[in-house]
Amino acid sequence: NAGVTQTPKFQVLKTGQSMTLQCAQDMNHEYMSWYRQDPGMGLRLIHYSVGAGITDQGEVPNGYNVSRSTTEDFPLRLLSAAPSQTSVYFCASTPGLSGNTIYFGEGSWLTVV
Amino acid sequence: AQSVAQPEDQVNVAEGNPLTVKCTYSVSGNPYLFWYVQYPNRGLQFLLKYITGDNLVKGSYGFEAEFNKSQTSFHLKKPSALVSDSALYFCAVRDWGSGAGSYQLTFGKGTKLSVIP
Repeated sequence: NAGVTQTPKFQVLKTGQSMTLQCAQDMNHEYMSWYRQDPGMGLRLIHYSVGAGITDQGEVPNGYNVSRSTTEDFPLRLLSAAPSQTSVYFCASTPGLSGNTIYFGEGSWLTVV
Repeated sequence: AQSVAQPEDQVNVAEGNPLTVKCTYSVSGNPYLFWYVQYPNRGLQFLLKYITGDNLVKGSYGFEAEFNKSQTSFHLKKPSALVSDSALYFCAVRDWGSGAGSYQLTFGKGTKLSVIP
């Protein structure tokens, strides 16, 4: 059981470049989300999805775009990378609302120079 | 709006001693509370959660946490610390009374635990 799989693990981008962080889960979870982790700030929600075809903004959505064409996949797109987007990105999924545990991927380390 | 506070950036404890990592929360409704652990260059691993019922929750690796509604706290504890427990610990809350927004998990800023041999 692979769980939540993120790629790439590490990436260096130049300012202004675009890229997509991939996220896939094989647990048939309805809910998926993207967080960014910055030192001293914990994890902050970027975007989330409550099912295929449905996405919504979290706390820090600017500069990012998402789509959810299938239950399994939830890619995060950086439209025009900025140094402020240097961070560690985590994809997560959960079966649904209420008290279900959220499962995290291993993270993607992104540096924008 | 929901929020989580972890008042200590770092906690140092000697191996074999009991450890406590503090967490307080604020929600408008009833809370779902979680503890996660993060080892260097790894993702977050689930430790335990409080949904309802017994205020003392037992989780992975010998950790437990006590839900205290009057103090709005959910402190993480372990009776005897191991060097391998050294990691970054996150408390998180979800307000299950707020509809679709209740999906959103709000994290504290994290507490670095160092267990000294």
